Amino acid sequence: ETGVTQSPTHLIKTRGQQVTLRCSSQSGHNTVSWYQQALGQGPQFIFQYYREEENGRGNFPPRFSGLQFPNYSSELNVNALELDDSALYLCASSPLVRVGDSYNEQFFGPGTRLTVL
Amino acid sequence: DAKTTQPTSMDCAEGRAANLPCNHSTISGNEYVYWYRQIHSQGPQYIIHGLKNNETNEMASLIITEDRKSSTLILPHATLRDTAVYYCIVRSYSGGSNYKLTFGKGTLLTVNP
Repeated sequence: ETGVTQSPTHLIKTRGQQVTLRCSSQSGHNTVSWYQQALGQGPQFIFQYYREEENGRGNFPPRFSGLQFPNYSSELNVNALELDDSALYLCASSPLVRVGDSYNEQFFGPGTRLTVL
Repeated sequence: DAKTTQPTSMDCAEGRAANLPCNHSTISGNEYVYWYRQIHSQGPQYIIHGLKNNETNEMASLIITEDRKSSTLILPHATLRDTAVYYCIVRSYSGGSNYKLTFGKGTLLTVNP
C-alpha cells in the first residue's frame, strides 16, 4: 500500500509568481486536506476536498486554491506569492468515514518546502 | 474546536515512560481528544484518540480525566526515535468540515540517551 506522496520536495519561487503543489492520496482514500506549516508553528488548515468538491476552508485568501481529480489526487495552487507564503505545505488523506464515526485518522505526506524570495 | 494547552518542551530518559499532559478545559461533550506527533522534517503521524474512556494501542496510552478537562499521553518505554513534537488536538464531529485538525504549537519531547 503506497502512502501519501507529494511533489516537489523543495521549491524556490520569487514574489508574485504562481506555484502548483501536487499530492497523491493513499490508496482507497477519497478526502484530501492541505495544511501550511510555518517555521516553528503547528500546521494550519487551508482547505479540504471530498469527491472533487471543496469541503471546508480555513482562514486563507482566495489566491490559495485547489483541485481534486477523479483518482483523488490533488493540487494546491497559490497565486501572487508573498514572502510569508514560505512554509512547509502538507497534504493529508483520509478514508471515507461514516457520519458519527470517530475513527478519522489523517495520513500525512512528507510535505513540500516552499521558499519565496 | 476547543483550545488546548501543552507545555512547550519536555525531556525524558530513554527507556522510561514519557507522560505528556494536555489541558482542554473548554472541551464539549461531542469533542474527541486526538494526539499526533511530528518527527523532524516529516509529516504529522496519528498516535491515538479517545472520547472519555482511557485508550491504549501499540504506540501509546491515552488517559482522560473524568471531567474530560485534561488528558495525558503516555509512551511507556520512550526511545530516541520518539523525539518529536507532540500535538494534542480536540475535534468535534458536527458540521461538514469534521476532518479539520486544529494544531497548536505542541510539546517538543526530547528523549535523552
